[in-house]
Amino acid sequence: EAQVTQNPRYLITVTGKKLTVTCSQNMNHEYMSWYRQDPGLGLRQIYYSMNVEVTDKGDVPEGYKVSRKEKRNFPLILESPSPNQTSLYFCASNTEGSSYNEQFFGPGTRLTVL
Amino acid sequence: GQSLEQPSEVTAVEGAIVQINCTYQTSGFYGLSWYQQHDGGAPTFLSYNALDGLEETGRFSSFLSRSDSYGYLLLQELQMKDSASYFCAVRPPDSGSARQLTFGSGTQLTVLP
Repeated sequence: EAQVTQNPRYLITVTGKKLTVTCSQNMNHEYMSWYRQDPGLGLRQIYYSMNVEVTDKGDVPEGYKVSRKEKRNFPLILESPSPNQTSLYFCASNTEGSSYNEQFFGPGTRLTVL
Repeated sequence: GQSLEQPSEVTAVEGAIVQINCTYQTSGFYGLSWYQQHDGGAPTFLSYNALDGLEETGRFSSFLSRSDSYGYLLLQELQMKDSASYFCAVRPPDSGSARQLTFGSGTQLTVLP
């Protein structure tokens, strides 16, 4: 089954404790992205990647890091989480071959930083 | 930058037709997309308009008018399961081949029995 997976699905942590949210896709997509979703603000892009070892900042990159060492994986790293990073996070992937520019989203990770 | 505006909430009754508007301010873009999101779930792709006009997919249709900087999603024969948030999205022209999307803030559709 074609899918994007994220782990963990739920996480409660404390300020300053480094964490990583994993994302993996099995569709051989070139592009992967991370979004955060907050009430009334829609989906805002954090970082994106156009292929292995190629990443760039989205609209809200402060406080986040990413890496793309393998085509299928795109982890999101919070080196020192703060309460304003409490949010619902989505990983997504898409392919150059899609004429509809369709993005496939993972199930989401709900993060709470205390 | 890109700016997309949608109504925050829309309510309609089962069996009715509802239109969700999306107006935008952008110097140009590669098409308008629509996504559906049920409460807390993953957004899923609904439709895409690369050109002006109406695209129909079953009960859902989407419309784009670049000259009016306007698009809409039309949902017909509403069902209770259509209660969800709906987002319009555009791919900015300066995103190169990255295929990135800028999303509107979303419209919460409530379908009443």
